[in-house]
Amino acid sequence: QSALTQPPSASASPGQSVTISCTGTSSDVGAYNYVSWFQHHPGKAPKLMIYEVSKRPSGVPDRLSGSKSGNTASLTVSGLQAEDEAVYYCSSYAGISNWVFGGGTKLTVL
Amino acid sequence: EVQLVESGGGLVQSGGSLRLSCAASGFTFSTYYMRWVRQAPGKGLDWVANINQDGSGKYYVDSVKGRFAISRDNAKNSLYLQMNSLRVEDTAVYYCTRGGSWTFDIWGLGTLVTVSS
Repeated sequence: QSALTQPPSASASPGQSVTISCTGTSSDVGAYNYVSWFQHHPGKAPKLMIYEVSKRPSGVPDRLSGSKSGNTASLTVSGLQAEDEAVYYCSSYAGISNWVFGGGTKLTVL
Repeated sequence: EVQLVESGGGLVQSGGSLRLSCAASGFTFSTYYMRWVRQAPGKGLDWVANINQDGSGKYYVDSVKGRFAISRDNAKNSLYLQMNSLRVEDTAVYYCTRGGSWTFDIWGLGTLVTVSS
């Protein structure tokens, strides 16, 4: 069982928006603004999409956005495209140089 | 191009040892934290270990403490993970990651470690 809780799956049609949640505790997500989101296509290296809750690395489209409220972080993908279909993982700093991940959410573009 | 390439995975019996390596290129390796993350078959990602820039600070997930050792050689732009007393539950793809901006900003393709009983 992963430390952070994500829904196992999410889906939406092209052009629509979808939000994926990531629920932790007051010791990780709720305590630090160091939540990240990663996109993982099978057989490829995971890719950082969001860091420090809502910041996007260079090259990540602004269709992706992150937010946090209390112990729950969220990733929203707007204007869904076929290439967005992947597994998305969240992670959070948990103090004393420890990190926790979510179990992953498989995003399907219908 | 910023790149991390893992090697050293393979099949090992329970109780055995393996040493993973990660070759870094395209950035100043000595200025970054480095981390190992693993993914067991059909499971999510799990953080395994961190090492700071000069190797003086090392942190591990509880399940590997006393069995795994993370190290680095800044002259060779390389990160290592010595894994001893391996267990079946250590079976996973092991990813080398760069620790930039309080996250895992660059990942390798991973190397598969299979521990048989």
